[in-house]
Amino acid sequence: AQSVTQLGSHVSVSEGALVLLRCNYSSSVPPYLFWYVQYPNQGLQLLLKYTSAATLVKGINGFEAEFKKSETSFHLTKPSAHMSDAAEYFCAVSEGGTASKLTFGTGTRLQVTL
Amino acid sequence: GAGVSQSPSNKVTEKGKDVELRCDPISGHTALYWYRQSLGQGLEFLIYFQGNSAPDKSGLPSDRFSAERTGGSVSTLTIQRTQQEDSAVYLCASSLYRQGAGGELFFGEGSRLTVL
Repeated sequence: AQSVTQLGSHVSVSEGALVLLRCNYSSSVPPYLFWYVQYPNQGLQLLLKYTSAATLVKGINGFEAEFKKSETSFHLTKPSAHMSDAAEYFCAVSEGGTASKLTFGTGTRLQVTL
Repeated sequence: GAGVSQSPSNKVTEKGKDVELRCDPISGHTALYWYRQSLGQGLEFLIYFQGNSAPDKSGLPSDRFSAERTGGSVSTLTIQRTQQEDSAVYLCASSLYRQGAGGELFFGEGSRLTVL
């Protein structure tokens, strides 16, 4: 069975500081991994995804994530936080293929302070 | 717009009443999912439809919950005899069913259910 663990339900960074949101996964097959973002009162939207191509994946709004099989991790980073990055971030895993359900982590709320 | 549409956006009901939540997926998307988002609980998978295949109902929390998808498009999630613990945001998502899609889901804005 697949699962995702997000370390830290709340992360606070200063504007301009590095953003690091942690995600570890468990999967019985090579996984597909995703980061979704949810801005206040909005639906989830895809930030980036890993589907067994390049291990360093670049997404929207300057975010990127690196797939590390040896660490079973897929941490999300952004070099310089912006106030508009304040949102909830969800890591998710699927077993890939044509389509399959995503299993989500419990989310990390990112706060950006001046 | 061309996104996933959900209605109602907000629903307040009394304990014991039945509710129906509607989802209109993106045109051409054959896979449809329902998730439940509760405060501090992340997203909980409820049910998954793919074309004419039998749905994956493994996430439905009790037999009070059911869902159908008519004509391979619009879906309705029904909760019978609602309880206070059913209060949550119910999210619908759709995706393309194709090799390598790997579960890229497009979400609606959700239906917020409050059971008094």
